[in-house]
Amino acid sequence: DQQVKQNSPSLSVQEGRISILNCDYTNSMFDYFLWYKKYPAEGPTFLISISSIKDKNEDGRFTVFLNKSAKHLSLHIVPSQPGDSAVYFCAASYGSSNTGKLIFGQGTTLQVKP
Amino acid sequence: GAGVSQTPSNKVTEKGKYVELRCDPISGHTALYWYRQSLGQGPEFLIYFQGTGAADDSGLPNDRFFAVRPEGSVSTLKIQRTERGDSAVYLCASSPLGYNEQFFGPGTRLTVL
Repeated sequence: DQQVKQNSPSLSVQEGRISILNCDYTNSMFDYFLWYKKYPAEGPTFLISISSIKDKNEDGRFTVFLNKSAKHLSLHIVPSQPGDSAVYFCAASYGSSNTGKLIFGQGTTLQVKP
Repeated sequence: GAGVSQTPSNKVTEKGKYVELRCDPISGHTALYWYRQSLGQGPEFLIYFQGTGAADDSGLPNDRFFAVRPEGSVSTLKIQRTERGDSAVYLCASSPLGYNEQFFGPGTRLTVL
């Protein structure tokens, strides 16, 4: 039972355009969500996060939106740059007050074309 | 400052052998996590340490897997009688107490022939 799902294995976007990566979850007990970016042969790098008490968090070109009623979150990258090409994972946790373990989606490979 | 480091970066072993994978967390981080990532999948939780103790080992697949963190810093993941299905990238992450974000190392790619 996959509690966190990224249904799009890949996404291709032109440089300068918006990239939208989607993630769905099933467990309503999750209260913190994170996006990680991963380059080949490297570990995941933290990108941006959002608490369940918010519906939007923005950091430069990256914005994460959370729709709790739909159990859906998305990552928007504007404008997209070739260096953004990587695998993006969304992850959920029950918060650091619990064990803080992360449950990851399967990942979406983003390709930004120059 | 130094990030999370993992050694070795690659490990090839034969079925039935014993392996140890090492993780050096970021200095001062009390929480340490091990994950396993198979091809085409996201990282999968194995075990969580808070200080020296394993606070949650619910992700360990079976009793062939064991991890220690004797001094609350470096951790070692130990796999006995390796099987071909153990082949994966093993990731270690650390974080400060009460912090939601985790900082990952580059991983150890384990190949069991």
